[in-house]
Amino acid sequence: DQQVKQNSPSLSVQEGRISILNCDYTNSMFDYFLWYKKYPAEGPTFLISISSIKDKNEDGRFTVFLNKSAKHLSLHIVPSQPGDSAVYFCAAGTGNNRKLIWGLGTSLAVNP
Amino acid sequence: DTAVSQTPKYLVTQMGNDKSIKCEQNLGHDTMYWYKQDSKKFLKIMFSYNNKELIINETVPNRFSPKSPDKAHLNLHINSLELGDSAVYFCASSHQGSSYEQYFGPGTRLTVT
Repeated sequence: DQQVKQNSPSLSVQEGRISILNCDYTNSMFDYFLWYKKYPAEGPTFLISISSIKDKNEDGRFTVFLNKSAKHLSLHIVPSQPGDSAVYFCAAGTGNNRKLIWGLGTSLAVNP
Repeated sequence: DTAVSQTPKYLVTQMGNDKSIKCEQNLGHDTMYWYKQDSKKFLKIMFSYNNKELIINETVPNRFSPKSPDKAHLNLHINSLELGDSAVYFCASSHQGSSYEQYFGPGTRLTVT
């Protein structure tokens, strides 16, 4: 039973345009959400996060939106750059032990 | 300076062998994790230690035994390796009190033949 779902395995966008990566979750107890970026042969790198008490968090070109009623979050990258090409993982956490549940990832390709 | 390091990066071994993967973090974090990423790219938590105490122990065969000699190290020992153990194993660390942000090592690709 996958509690965190990234339904698009891949996404391709033109350089300079907006990239929108989506994530859905089923567990209403999740209280924190994170996006990670992963390059081949490297570990995931933390990108941006959002607490369940907020609906938006912004960091430079990256913005995460949270819609709790829809149990949906999205990551917007504007403008997209070729260096953004990577696999993006959505993760959700709950509980004192800070356990994270991960999506399967979306592979983003930003074309020059 | 590497924040979270793992050794070895690649490990090829035969079924039935016993092997260990080491992890060290120099971030001063108090919590460390082991994850397994299988062939379907699914990243799943295996274990977590906070101040050398086991706090997360997912449904993992008891052939897998984590050991934390101190807060900066978390090693993973695997006995009687099986073909299905082939995967990429990631170590991560975090500061328990602050947030959910975890910092990952580069991964160890284990291939069991």
